[in-house]
Amino acid sequence: AQTVTQSQPEMSVQEAETVTLSCTYDTSENNYYLFWYKQPPSRQMILVIRQEAYKQQNATENRFSVNFQKAAKSFSLKISDSQLGDTAMYFCAFMSNDMRFGAGTRLTVKP
Amino acid sequence: GAGVSQTPSNKVTEKGKYVELRCDPISGHTALYWYRQSLGQGPEFLIYFQGTGAADDSGLPNDRFFAVRPEGSVSTLKIQRTERGDSAVYLCASSLNTNGYNEQFFGPGTRLTVL
Repeated sequence: AQTVTQSQPEMSVQEAETVTLSCTYDTSENNYYLFWYKQPPSRQMILVIRQEAYKQQNATENRFSVNFQKAAKSFSLKISDSQLGDTAMYFCAFMSNDMRFGAGTRLTVKP
Repeated sequence: GAGVSQTPSNKVTEKGKYVELRCDPISGHTALYWYRQSLGQGPEFLIYFQGTGAADDSGLPNDRFFAVRPEGSVSTLKIQRTERGDSAVYLCASSLNTNGYNEQFFGPGTRLTVL
């Protein structure tokens, strides 16, 4: 079975600085997808960034980028130039057939 | 355009009662997913549909849980004989199809409280 582990329950960062959220996963699959979702207090899950396992190039979306290490089964999220609106729960997710989520990291951006 | 909607937004019920939770996916999305999110946890997969059929219901915790999607659009999650442990936020998501490349769009969830 696939499992997703987020080892940082809570993190904080000063506005405009950079923060990295960690995620590791376990699978025997070779083809899969990885995602980072943001969940603000409104409960709406919002896709931040995704990575196809067969692509070696790390995905980037504006201030968000990932460090995908397939052999190590690691998928960390880097947020550059942190903004107050980035404050939320962040979930790492793995998908081959169905989607599996980690327990989440609560990120607080401080002014 | 309209996103995924879920009704009701909140539901309070008594232990032993039956509840139905509704999900309206984005028009044209053939894949629909149900998740359960307990307090302080990530969403937990329950079931997904491709069209009208349940493609994978391995996440349903027991036979008190059932979901349908009779016309391949709206889906209803049904919980019989509710227990206090069923209290959680139930999230629905839809995507164009079940290809993992396609983004899953989530609804705002239904918060179920079983007293």
